[in-house]
Amino acid sequence: AQSVSQHNHHVILSEAASLELGCNYSYGGTVNLFWYVQYPGQHLQLLLKYFSGDPLVKGIKGFEAEFIKSKFSFNLRKPSVQWSDTAEYFCAVRLGYTGTASKLTFGTGTRLQVTL
Amino acid sequence: GAVVSQHPSRVICKSGTSVKIECRSLDFQATTMFWYRQFPKQSLMLMATSNEGSKATYEQGVEKDKFLINHASLTLSTLTVTSAHPEDSSFYICSATPGQLAKNIQYFGAGTRLSVL
Repeated sequence: AQSVSQHNHHVILSEAASLELGCNYSYGGTVNLFWYVQYPGQHLQLLLKYFSGDPLVKGIKGFEAEFIKSKFSFNLRKPSVQWSDTAEYFCAVRLGYTGTASKLTFGTGTRLQVTL
Repeated sequence: GAVVSQHPSRVICKSGTSVKIECRSLDFQATTMFWYRQFPKQSLMLMATSNEGSKATYEQGVEKDKFLINHASLTLSTLTVTSAHPEDSSFYICSATPGQLAKNIQYFGAGTRLSVL
């Protein structure tokens, strides 16, 4: 079964600092990759996704992620964080095949705290 | 965007009682819904996949008689925690996906915090 690792459990950054959150997965086949964000007291929202094509994907709110197949990684980046980016970030993987909707496997999440 | 409503947001119950949690897709038809459980400081763990009109598919280790799932319509799935005990206290989250295309995204509800006394 596939697994997803997020090595950074809690990250504290000052506003305007650059962000990179790591995500690694363990599955050798085709995967779909996602980053979700959960702001305090709110539901999970999709930040960005990768299915195929350009391995550098851009999402909402200035976030981007790069899929590196050889490293089984899908790291999330943002050049300059804002206080409003304080949230929990989850990486998720889905086995990529056409057909019915299939399940997501989530990482343990990274709590990002941005200080003023 | 697609909206998934989950109700109630919080429930406190006595040990031995049953609790029903509803998950509704408000502006789309959800042929597939998922139920997750999240422990403090841990990831979302998939409990079951629910397809409209058929029996839910439970993940390994999840007791189907304990966690009853009913997906009676294209906009509603319910999770019933039967004879709840303190160890069932957790955060339960549902998600829904429109259609059956592989590229369809899961849209999440806000979650239900269950506390069993």
